[in-house]
Amino acid sequence: SAVISQKPSRDICQRGTSLTIQCQVDSQVTMMFWYRQQPGQSLTLIATANQGSEATYESGFVIDKFPISRPNLTFSTLTVSNMSPEDSSIYLCSVVDSFYEQYFGPGTRLTVT
Amino acid sequence: LAKTTQPISMDSYEGQEVNITCSHNNIATNDYITWYQQFPSQGPRFIIQGYKTKVTNEVASLFIPADRKSSTLSLPRVSLSDTAVYYCLVGTQTGANNLFFGTGTRLTVIP
Repeated sequence: SAVISQKPSRDICQRGTSLTIQCQVDSQVTMMFWYRQQPGQSLTLIATANQGSEATYESGFVIDKFPISRPNLTFSTLTVSNMSPEDSSIYLCSVVDSFYEQYFGPGTRLTVT
Repeated sequence: LAKTTQPISMDSYEGQEVNITCSHNNIATNDYITWYQQFPSQGPRFIIQGYKTKVTNEVASLFIPADRKSSTLSLPRVSLSDTAVYYCLVGTQTGANNLFFGTGTRLTVIP
């Protein structure tokens, strides 16, 4: 299994600012992903974080708003840029291991005021 | 991508067996069925994955009929700590397509 940590665990940010969320995995993994989960809702896939290349974004998400870095096989960051209250959500990092099981981090709870 | 349909919510008393059914009528030949459990303020946790017939682990059983157009997650003798949201996903085992969550089923276990 993979153990995933995220920083920060929560933050309160002002409108118009940016926040970078870090995701650290305890082993090397090929596939890393970022999700958003709005209060009381299901998870929505934002993008696949590709090591050494640009992230692959799902429909409705763009790089300018959610830039992602993946410098190596154990680490990724997601930045939420120019935030508005609609960005208030839980952001989760996940990985898929070599046995095709997906593991999630604890999430980052973001509140934008 | 195969779309999944689950009941929005279910209630069960402690000690009972709970069966949550997921419909996936347009499942593809290469698709697997995966179930996750999510507690409040936590990320989802993998429970079980299967392709056909029956799969059992220490947590649950997964029943998949021959036509694979539905699947049933069975939780034996639930306790209060099983109160959570349960998600059914359908996609290829490689993970590249097994990433899209439906609405999930909110299970409440009653004392």
